[in-house]
Formats: sequence, structure tokens, C-alpha cells
Amino acid sequence: EVQLVESGGGLVQPGRSLRLSCAASGFMFDDYAMHWVRQAPGKGLEWVSGISSKSHIIGYADSVKGRFTISRDNAKNSLYLQMNSLRAEDTALYFCAKDGYSSSSGEIDYWGQGTLVTVSS
Amino acid sequence: QSVVTQPPSASGTPGQRVTISCSGSSSNIGNNYVYWYQQFPGTAPKLLIYGNSQRSSGVPDRFSGSKSGTSASLAISGLRSEDEADYYCATWDERLSGYVVFGGGTKLTVL
Repeated sequence: EVQLVESGGGLVQPGRSLRLSCAASGFMFDDYAMHWVRQAPGKGLEWVSGISSKSHIIGYADSVKGRFTISRDNAKNSLYLQMNSLRAEDTALYFCAKDGYSSSSGEIDYWGQGTLVTVSS
Repeated sequence: QSVVTQPPSASGTPGQRVTISCSGSSSNIGNNYVYWYQQFPGTAPKLLIYGNSQRSSGVPDRFSGSKSGTSASLAISGLRSEDEADYYCATWDERLSGYVVFGGGTKLTVL
């Protein structure tokens, strides 16, 4: 059974940093691209970042480019999102998600339950 | 504002057929696959349709997807109360710095 478990969310002040983690199990982690997708309270889904299976191809939404860094450790079956210079508009539930392919395709076939990030003073 | 547009709401009565549209451009829907996701309040999204029209495992055949040009649609026939949820289309956008773009989502109400 595929499982994606996010951690690292919490309350953080504007301008500070936070690192999200996602522990994956139940599939060959190093065969698939992974994504972070967020959802602000009461709002729709927003793709944040994606990384190919071997980390060769990485992409970011314009709203986070230059502030967020995605990475993965295939030996630890883990995905990360380093979030710097956080803003109030980054407040959201952050989902870790698995792609159906080794390169990002948009076909997100499994999702975690999310970790909540609240940016507020 | 997303580059892929969905109506914010849709509704139907039990047994009816409802369609949800997803409109884009040649840089996204026109040249890439479209995916549809279903999300119930407080839960993670679930993949319904991939590759424009392929149903994900376990998805009833009441759900169908299609694409024509720069637009796509999700159709739900034989509408049931348990279909009440938010529905999102997603695709790849070749212009953006990233890859994936979601539509704004459509809240489906079963009257």
C-alpha cells in the first residue's frame, strides 16, 4: 500500500524558514517523480514544486521560485521542501504527492494527508 | 488566477448527467494530457481521470473525461449524492517555469 506521510508543518513568523518532509513507502520511491501541492484555507489546489525520480529535473511555481527548494533522498525514501522567506500567503495545507512517471507528468496518483503551514506573527 | 479555467460551481439532481468544463490554451490543454481530481472536504484529492479520458482504478464508469482542442470536460452520469465534492482539472503548461497547473476547481452540489 502506497503511503505518503508529511511532517514539519507548524506556525512560523513571516520571513522565517520551515522544512517539510515526506516519508514514502509501499512503492519504488526512486522510480517516480514527486510533487508538493498546497491548498490555502477554503481555496483550490496549487502546484508548488516537482522533482524527477533522480532529481535531474526540478520545477517551481512562480509564486515560490527563489524561496522554496525541493529535494529528495532516494536512499531514505524521503521528499523535502525547504521554505525560506515565508509570507502570509504561503499559509496552506501542503500535500506530498506521487507522480505516475519518473519525470513530472501531472498524473498525480497518490497523495498524502497534508501538513499545515501557518505563517503569522 | 489559474491559466486553466473551471466554473466555480455546478449542480444537478440525482440521476442527472452533469458536465464540468476546463478551458485553457495551446500551451497547456491543447498539447498536453488533462487529469481530473475529486476532493471531499477535509481529505486529500483523488485521481479520477488520467490521459484525458482514462478512468483511474476503481472509478465508476459513470465518470468520463474528454478533450477537444484547448478544452476538456468531466461528465458524471447517473448523479448520486455521494458525488458532491470539489473537482479539479490539471494539466502541464509549457510556458510556466514549472510544469503542472490546476484549474480553480468546481464545487458540485447534488440537489
